[in-house]
Amino acid sequence: EDQVTQSPEALRLQEGESSSLNCSYTVSGLRGLFWYRQDPGKGPEFLFTLYSAGEEKEKERLKATLTKKESFLHITAPKPEDSATYLCAVHGYSSASKIIFGSGTRLSIRP
Amino acid sequence: GAVVSQHPSWVICKSGTSVKIECRSLDFQATTMFWYRQFPKQSLMLMATSNEGSKATYEQGVEKDKFLINHASLTLSTLTVTSAHPEDSSFYICSAGRQGNSPLHFGNGTRLTVT
Repeated sequence: EDQVTQSPEALRLQEGESSSLNCSYTVSGLRGLFWYRQDPGKGPEFLFTLYSAGEEKEKERLKATLTKKESFLHITAPKPEDSATYLCAVHGYSSASKIIFGSGTRLSIRP
Repeated sequence: GAVVSQHPSWVICKSGTSVKIECRSLDFQATTMFWYRQFPKQSLMLMATSNEGSKATYEQGVEKDKFLINHASLTLSTLTVTSAHPEDSSFYICSAGRQGNSPLHFGNGTRLTVT
C-alpha cells in the first residue's frame, strides 16, 4: 500500500532562517511526487512535480529534491509570507488514478 | 495554468436539507475529478472519484447515498450532500488534472456548516 509521511508536523522559523521539510514515501513504482502549498481556508496550490530520483525543481525561495525514498522541500531565507501548510503527495502505478497525500507540515515564519 | 473553480466558497444550511457544490475545470477538459474532505489541521481525505459519463467511485466508509456525485460534462462535477447533519460540517475540496502524470489542480474549497 502506498504511504506518505511528512515531518515535522509543525515548524516555526525566524525570518531568514533556512530549513527543510521532509516527505518520506513508499510506493510500488513512482509516477510522480507533488508538493503543494495550502493557506488557511483555501484549496492546495500546486508547487512542483518530481518524477525521478535526482530531480530538482526551484521556485523563488523553494527547492524540491527527490530520492528513491524521500523528498525534501528546502526553504532558503524564508519570509513571513511563506507561512502555510505544505503538502506532499505521491502517485504510484499501483494506485490507479489515486494520489495519496501526507498530513502536511505547518510552517510559521516569524518576522 | 490550469484553473479549477469551486462554488460556493461557503454555505450554511439547516439540518436535514441538501446542499450542492459545483466544481468546474475552466481551461481544460477533465474526464476525472476528485472530491476531498478536510478537517481542521488534517490532511485531505479522498471521498470519491468522479468519472465523466459514469458512476463515481467512492472510498471505503463514504456513504454514496449521502454524498451524491454527478459528472455530467467534461468540465463540471457536482457534489450534493443530502439530508445534511452537523457532523457533515467540513471543508470540501474538489480537484482535477489533465491526462497522464499531470498534477492535480484544486478548487478553493467549500466550507459547509450545518446548524
